[in-house]
Amino acid sequence: ETGVTQTPRHLVMGMTNKKSLKCEQHLGHNAMYWYKQSAKKPLELMFVYSLEERVENNSVPSRFSPECPNSSHLFLHLHTLQPEDSALYLCASSQGQLNNNEQFFGPGTRLTVL
Amino acid sequence: AQTVTQSQPEMSVQEAETVTLSCTYDTSESDYYLFWYKQPPSRQMILVIRQEAYKQQNATENRFSVNFQKAAKSFSLKISDSQLGDAAMYFCAYRVEYGNKLVFGAGTILRVKS
Repeated sequence: ETGVTQTPRHLVMGMTNKKSLKCEQHLGHNAMYWYKQSAKKPLELMFVYSLEERVENNSVPSRFSPECPNSSHLFLHLHTLQPEDSALYLCASSQGQLNNNEQFFGPGTRLTVL
Repeated sequence: AQTVTQSQPEMSVQEAETVTLSCTYDTSESDYYLFWYKQPPSRQMILVIRQEAYKQQNATENRFSVNFQKAAKSFSLKISDSQLGDAAMYFCAYRVEYGNKLVFGAGTILRVKS
């Protein structure tokens, strides 16, 4: 696999379920990101990890819990979600804080909360 | 806070013709980066072109070029000789010089007619 991969690609869950989204990057990057993409809204940055430490939490509700066990993997643990959390969740990675660091995106997980 | 505005929710262009997508942004910083990302229907977002704010010369990548007007805080994308594969959602994004937080606009859907 190359680039940034995400699993699952589609997820339907009830409000009482617990599930996790997985992201893996094969680019040797040291920064990873979670974004939420809702219809007709700008992408919203949720979390940033740099060198496996969380450096940004963009006022995300606690029902979303990120985990970065190493520089190649990023998880988003979900529990007791609300229907308004239905969206496309995108993972991205980049090479730290270099001036022109491009963010490479995964294909996303389409989440539907019933 | 920085904001990015894309005033065109949808645009259409005839194959082989030229189209321009608009983007304006608001920032008090003098050094920053601007990006155009393309998100095809398959959802994998890819970088189209980037512009460093300190460079006066407009960036160009094959059929894609930008018109960067720093004083006006405007960053439009011109696609020449449009192809069917250009059909996608296009996002304008901003990032400060040192940092990894991208601020996105709401996106413009580009349709290419054959």
